[in-house]
Amino acid sequence: DTEVTQTPKHLVMGMTNKKSLKCEQHMGHRAMYWYKQKAKKPPELMFVYSYEKLSINESVPSRFSPECPNSSLLNLHLHALQPEDSALYLCASSQGAFEKLFFGSGTQLSVL
Amino acid sequence: GQQLNQSPQSMFIQEGEDVSMNCTSSSIFNTWLWYKQDPGEGPVLLIALYKAGELTSNGRLTAQFGITRKDSFLNISASIPSDVGIYFCAGRPGGGTSYGKLTFGQGTILTVHP
Repeated sequence: DTEVTQTPKHLVMGMTNKKSLKCEQHMGHRAMYWYKQKAKKPPELMFVYSYEKLSINESVPSRFSPECPNSSLLNLHLHALQPEDSALYLCASSQGAFEKLFFGSGTQLSVL
Repeated sequence: GQQLNQSPQSMFIQEGEDVSMNCTSSSIFNTWLWYKQDPGEGPVLLIALYKAGELTSNGRLTAQFGITRKDSFLNISASIPSDVGIYFCAGRPGGGTSYGKLTFGQGTILTVHP
C-alpha cells in the first residue's frame, strides 16, 4: 500500500474562515510533508515533520499552522487566508527525510 | 538554493512516438526521482535512481542517473494518449548532509495527439 489520503478534495473558504486539511498514511513512514503547488508549477515545500516533530518550516506565514497528532496523521490548519493562497495543497510521506516521496492527490483550495 | 534545469518545457508529439526529457544541475545529486502529474491530482512516482550510471525501467519508461551525478534522463517509448501530463524531475543533493532537501525541476508538459 503506497497510498497517502488527503481530505477534502476541494475546499472553498472566505478570508475570515478557519478550516483544516487532513492527511493520512499507513506505510509506517517517519517523515511527512506539506507542499503548495500553483498550476503548471513544481511543488513548493512548506513544512516537514520528522518523527512527529516539525523539522523544517520554509518561512511559511503564520496563517498556515501544521500539526502532527501521530505518526500517521498530518493536519494543516488554515486561518485568515488571502486569495493568493489559492492553490493545490499536497501532502507527502517518505520513509526517511527526502527519500522517495509519495504524494496524496491534494486539496484544491480556493480563497474568496 | 539548488537549481534544476528541466527540458524541454513542453512537447507535442504523435501517438506512437518516443519521448525524451532531461534535468541538469550545477551541483552533485545522490538521488533522482521522476514523477508524473495529471491535472488536479498529486504527483505519482515513476522511477527512483540512486547510483551514478544507473539505468532503470518501468514498463515503457526508462530513466538514467547521469555518470557525472549532475543530470538525469527520462525516456518514454511508443507514447499513448494516457501519457499526457506534466513530468517533474526531483533531485536530492549529496556531498554533505544526508537530509538535503528535494529540489524539483520546472516540469515538462507532454501532449500526445492520437
